[in-house]
Amino acid sequence: AQSVAQPEDQVNVAEGNPLTVKCTYSVSGNPYLFWYVQYPNRGLQFLLKYITGDNLVKGSYGFEAEFNKSQTSFHLKKPSALVSDSALYVCAVRVYYNTDKLIFGTGTRLQVFP
Amino acid sequence: ETGVTQTPRHLVMGMTNKKSLKCEQHLGHNAMYWYKQSAKKPLELMFVYSLEERVENNSVPSRFSPECPNSSHLFLHLHTLQPEDSALYLCASSQGRRGGPDTQYFGPGTRLTVL
Repeated sequence: AQSVAQPEDQVNVAEGNPLTVKCTYSVSGNPYLFWYVQYPNRGLQFLLKYITGDNLVKGSYGFEAEFNKSQTSFHLKKPSALVSDSALYVCAVRVYYNTDKLIFGTGTRLQVFP
Repeated sequence: ETGVTQTPRHLVMGMTNKKSLKCEQHLGHNAMYWYKQSAKKPLELMFVYSLEERVENNSVPSRFSPECPNSSHLFLHLHTLQPEDSALYLCASSQGRRGGPDTQYFGPGTRLTVL
């Protein structure tokens, strides 16, 4: 079955420290992987995606993600966290049956403390 | 968020009411989606429209009825909902190229509460 897992419900980080939000996937074929961020009472905002090529993908607001095919992971990273980064981060993988679909993880709440 | 707009942002309705959610995309996309987001659960895909044709109906109860009059507008008509239907309903759009790495862009959502 095709799926996405975000093993941590919440990640706590001190401001200025590096952050990592984990995502692993299970999908047949080559994956297209996405990260979104959701602030309270808002929709999902696109951060970045992996299609092919360089395993390190750079996105919005200083975020980047590393694709690791052998570990089937696509972890989101940022070198120095900001309090304003506190939000829900959602990983997704694109699958194709008769239509294109995104399968989403349950999300990881990031809390950055001053 | 001006790319995809949703109205209303908040809706409280009784189980016998009829209401509609509206979504409009200003991105020139060909595909539109309705999702349901409940606490601590992954986003649930409800409906997909491609070029105004419904191409996916994910076993959604008939009390939810989608309508896509053109490629820029999407509605979700609600009738005799249940309290467990309370959730954030998100609309999204994409270019709709089959098999391509299209990004879905989301609206701000409608927070629905069913009493």
